[in-house]
Amino acid sequence: GAGVSQSPSNKVTEKGKDVELRCDPISGHTALYWYRQRLGQGLEFLIYFQGNSAPDKSGLPSDRFSAERTGESVSTLTIQRTQQEDSAVYLCAGLQRRANYGYTFGSGTRLTVV
Amino acid sequence: QKEVEQDPGPLSVPEGAIVSLNCTYSNSAFQYFMWYRQYSRKGPELLMYTYSSGNKEDGRFTAQVDKSSKYISLFIRDSQPSDSATYLCAGGYNKLIFGAGTRLAVHP
Repeated sequence: GAGVSQSPSNKVTEKGKDVELRCDPISGHTALYWYRQRLGQGLEFLIYFQGNSAPDKSGLPSDRFSAERTGESVSTLTIQRTQQEDSAVYLCAGLQRRANYGYTFGSGTRLTVV
Repeated sequence: QKEVEQDPGPLSVPEGAIVSLNCTYSNSAFQYFMWYRQYSRKGPELLMYTYSSGNKEDGRFTAQVDKSSKYISLFIRDSQPSDSATYLCAGGYNKLIFGAGTRLAVHP
C-alpha cells in the first residue's frame, strides 16, 4: 500500500478487557516502531523490531503490554486487562532500509478505555 | 529529566512571520535529528532530517543542530495558516525519542 495502515482507527473497550491493535507496514520496511501518544502530549516510545533481531522492549510500560512481528510483515500490539490510563493514540511507524532515517507513521489507533 | 525537552506552547504568530521552534536533548549518543509536523487526528509526517551537527534547508524550512550545546531548532519563513499544526522534534540513534510537541497557530 501507499502508507502504513493501522486498524482499527478507533477502539472503545471496557476496563479489564484485552485489546489487539494491528499495524501493516509498507513493503520493505525493515524496522517497525510502536509509540503511544496521550492527549496533548508527545510520542512515548514503546517497542521496536529490526529484522530478525530481538525486539527492543524497553519502552513497554508494564507486562500487560506485548507486541509481535513476524519478519517484515504485520505487527500486533496487545494490551491485556486494559486500564483507563491506557487511553491514548497508539502509533506505528516503519523505516525502510537505507532510508534517510525518516519514519513513516500510520494514522494511529485511538484507544478509549471506559 | 526527559531526554528531549520541548516547550509545548501554544505559539501564535501572524501570517508571514518567521517562526523559531527549539528543543534541547540530553543524550550525547544521539546521531540523527528530525522534525515532524502533526495535524489534528493525523499521524506525524516527516519535515526535516539532519545527521549530526549542521544546517539543512528545504524551501521555507531550515533545521539546525548544535551537538556541542545539544540544541535543535526549526525555522519557518513566511509562515502560512496551513503551517498551523503541532511540531515535534526528535533525536536518536537506533530509535527516535520525541519531544512533547509545540502547537503553532498562524493567523491570517
